[in-house]
Parts: sequence; structure tokens; C-alpha cells
Amino acid sequence: DGGITQSPKYLFRKEGQNVTLSCEQNLNHDAMYWYRQDPGQGLRLIYYSQIVNDFQKGDIAEGYSVSREKKESFPLTVTSAQKNPTAFYLCASSTDSNQPQHFGDGTRLSIL
Amino acid sequence: EDKVVQSPLSLVVHEGDTVTLNCSYEVTNFRSLLWYKQEKKAPTFLFMLTSSGIEKKSGRLSSILDKKELFSILNITATQTGDSAVYLCAVKALPYGGSQGNLIFGKGTKLSVKP
Repeated sequence: DGGITQSPKYLFRKEGQNVTLSCEQNLNHDAMYWYRQDPGQGLRLIYYSQIVNDFQKGDIAEGYSVSREKKESFPLTVTSAQKNPTAFYLCASSTDSNQPQHFGDGTRLSIL
Repeated sequence: EDKVVQSPLSLVVHEGDTVTLNCSYEVTNFRSLLWYKQEKKAPTFLFMLTSSGIEKKSGRLSSILDKKELFSILNITATQTGDSAVYLCAVKALPYGGSQGNLIFGKGTKLSVKP
């Protein structure tokens, strides 16, 4: 089945540690996105990529990094510079930036 | 600053009731408005609206956009317990406004349907 796969479902980070969240899609979508969701808040855009080997900062990019070396993959690294990383992270993709985005099941990141 | 406001923030109804969820927006260079349903994990796409006054319908759910008054409503008739979820509204602007053409999400409306 076509879809977006995020892994792991749950992740724990120690202080000072970088962690990487995986996002893979087999929908042949060009555009991919990373969002952060905090309790009672809407989704906030971290980074997005409209095409392979290109990505742009969203509204809250500080403390995060991404890469887009393959069309189907858009991993997100939460660096030690992100001081409040505890949140639910959602990856999305779309055919292009004007089409509806479809979401993965998310990764819940917590601090040890 | 572009923003999307949803109301109410939470709502409790009984099975069989009809509910109306509201989404108002202030966005420069509006392009489209989207509704999503989020249960436990992934938001699932419901509707995308671009034109005023044209109702989109899917089963018991329907939505309409008013571009003059800058709002949209999502109606759910004959609610069921399976409709319990957070409903998210998001607006997309053209890519030369403050939001750079990205989706701007509201905080969501949490709907609880009691048996």
C-alpha cells in the first residue's frame, strides 16, 4: 500500500544528544514537510522540501536540520540546540505544494 | 500576521446530534482552506475548498467557504462515536505573502461524541 512511514513511533533523547526521525513515502510525491505539534496547539512547520536536494526553513527551524537526498526520504534531526524538543512530530507529503498534504502516523519525542 | 482561529476549542455532543465547527482566517493572498480529522495519530484529509459558496460533501460531513466573510464551517450530521476527534482547519496562501505559501493551522476543535 502507498503511504508515509515514520519511525520510530516513540523516541527518547538524552540531554546533549542529537536524534534523527525517519520519514519515508512511496507515493511518488515531490513535496515533503515536517511539523511539530504541542498539546492544544496547531501544527507548526519546521522544514519543507519541494524537490530533491532542496529544502527551506519553516516557522520554527532553529535547533533542527533536514536532508533530501532521495525523493522518498526526508529525515529530520533534532539537535542538542533545540532546548524544548518534547513534542509530537508529523511528516507529510503532497504531489506538489498546491495539493492536499497527507500525513504519517507521527513520532513522539520525549526527553530523559 | 497570518492566522487561523477555530471555534469552539472543544465540544461534547450525543450520538445523533448535528454539529457545526467554525474556522475564521486572516491571510494575505488566500489560495485554499483545508479540513483534517485527527484521531490518535495522523491527520486525515477531509476537504479542500477554494471557491466561495460551493458545498463539498462526503457522507455525513460537509463544508463550505465564505471568502467575503473569511470563514468556513464543517458540518457533521447524525454524529457517531467514531466522529470523536480533533478537527483541524488550515489555510494556504499564495507563495509571496508572510507565510511563504505554507499551510497555517488553527489549534483545532476537539469533538467528543457520547453514546
